[in-house]
Amino acid sequence: DSGVTQTPKHLITATGQRVTLRCSPRSGDLSVYWYQQSLDQGLQFLIQYYNGEERAKGNILERFSAQQFPDLHSELNLSSLELGDSALYFCASSVDGRAGGNSGANVLTFGAGSRLTVL
Amino acid sequence: EDQVTQSPEALRLQEGESSSLNCSYTVSGLRGLFWYRQDPGKGPEFLFTLYSAGEEKEKERLKATLTKKESFLHITAPKPEDSATYLCAVPDNAGNMLTFGGGTRLMVKP
Repeated sequence: DSGVTQTPKHLITATGQRVTLRCSPRSGDLSVYWYQQSLDQGLQFLIQYYNGEERAKGNILERFSAQQFPDLHSELNLSSLELGDSALYFCASSVDGRAGGNSGANVLTFGAGSRLTVL
Repeated sequence: EDQVTQSPEALRLQEGESSSLNCSYTVSGLRGLFWYRQDPGKGPEFLFTLYSAGEEKEKERLKATLTKKESFLHITAPKPEDSATYLCAVPDNAGNMLTFGGGTRLMVKP
């Protein structure tokens, strides 16, 4: 158990629908990262939050949105779902908001992921 | 734009057969290179961080090394339980995210 909790573990839904994925970071971690992993694209960065504020955006579609709440948990909202959105969605957390640098505080710890299947 | 390329995409080894995985990177300023292990259906698990050329780190049968352009993950006398996908990643300049390579899927046969 990495300490990063993601729910649900599996989700099956239909095209056009909307889903919400939830992530609770490790205790003490202030930063949350969302990644998408599909078979043909590998791990793709979506968005990062630090202490409630959006810090960086990657290849996140306009149909997707996220937020980090005062208790530091985060939610990723996916709407108008398409078949191509089927993937594993991972949340990671770190102590501070920097993914690099010479400090153990910058290591990203990943959750077990949420597997989304769009039919 | 930062780029990370891993080779080979897949590697089959017999138990005890040592080998190396490669991670080539192109970044404007290296702020560390990360190695992760990912088992099927699970999240990536942190292995090592390397920060400067010449640095080496070891953990059990794994040893990671770093040069100015690439990193190697050496696996000595692997066991079937070492079978997994190994990912390397580099942070962007602002340190806001990690860019991952495509991974090397390692299969160790008993």
